[in-house]
Amino acid sequence: KNEVEQSPQNLTAQEGEFITINCSYSVGISALHWLQQHPGGGIVSLFMLSSGKKKHGRLIATINIQEKHSSLHITASHPRDSAVYICAVRGAGGSQGNLIFGKGTKLSVKP
Amino acid sequence: GAGVSQSPRYKVAKRGQDVALRCDPISGHVSLFWYQQALGQGPEFLTYFQNEAQLDKSGLPSDRFFAERPEGSVSTLKIQRTQQEDSAVYLCASSAGQYYGYTFGSGTRLTVV
Repeated sequence: KNEVEQSPQNLTAQEGEFITINCSYSVGISALHWLQQHPGGGIVSLFMLSSGKKKHGRLIATINIQEKHSSLHITASHPRDSAVYICAVRGAGGSQGNLIFGKGTKLSVKP
Repeated sequence: GAGVSQSPRYKVAKRGQDVALRCDPISGHVSLFWYQQALGQGPEFLTYFQNEAQLDKSGLPSDRFFAERPEGSVSTLKIQRTQQEDSAVYLCASSAGQYYGYTFGSGTRLTVV
């Protein structure tokens, strides 16, 4: 079993829909990252959080430390949101860069 | 620079050849990380520098992999005697510190033939 599990693996939505991507992890963590990867490989860091909730534009990330679960929400989705969204955690005893990555959720938003 | 720059963008190497991949982090970022991403998989940690010190190299898959950051800025990931299983995208990221987010480069896609 992977230490970081994401669901769903693939998601197709219509423009304007509210989207939720889930991440569950089995290790103690000191931080959790949400990343966006477009075709061609470039990765953009969306959020780094260790508790609570963060919001940036149409993106919202939440984390529940007790339940070892995080969600990424996209409101009013748009075709340009189409990308792979990756959850990554830094273990509580791990070094700063030693992230454990999920396999990603491939999101496709149709116009 | 404005972002993390990696070069080359693409590299095709013959099996057994040595390769060197370069990462130019954001100026002033003390932390630098290397990750390996196989096709269809999430990235996997290789190694981490704080300034010029390599603090964690636990992810390097074999002694054919070597990374350095001699002056605490530019880093080079070297792979000796490349094998087909080394084919992957090699991602570099930098950060201003432990409590800051990461900025990733576009990666170097290495294909070993």
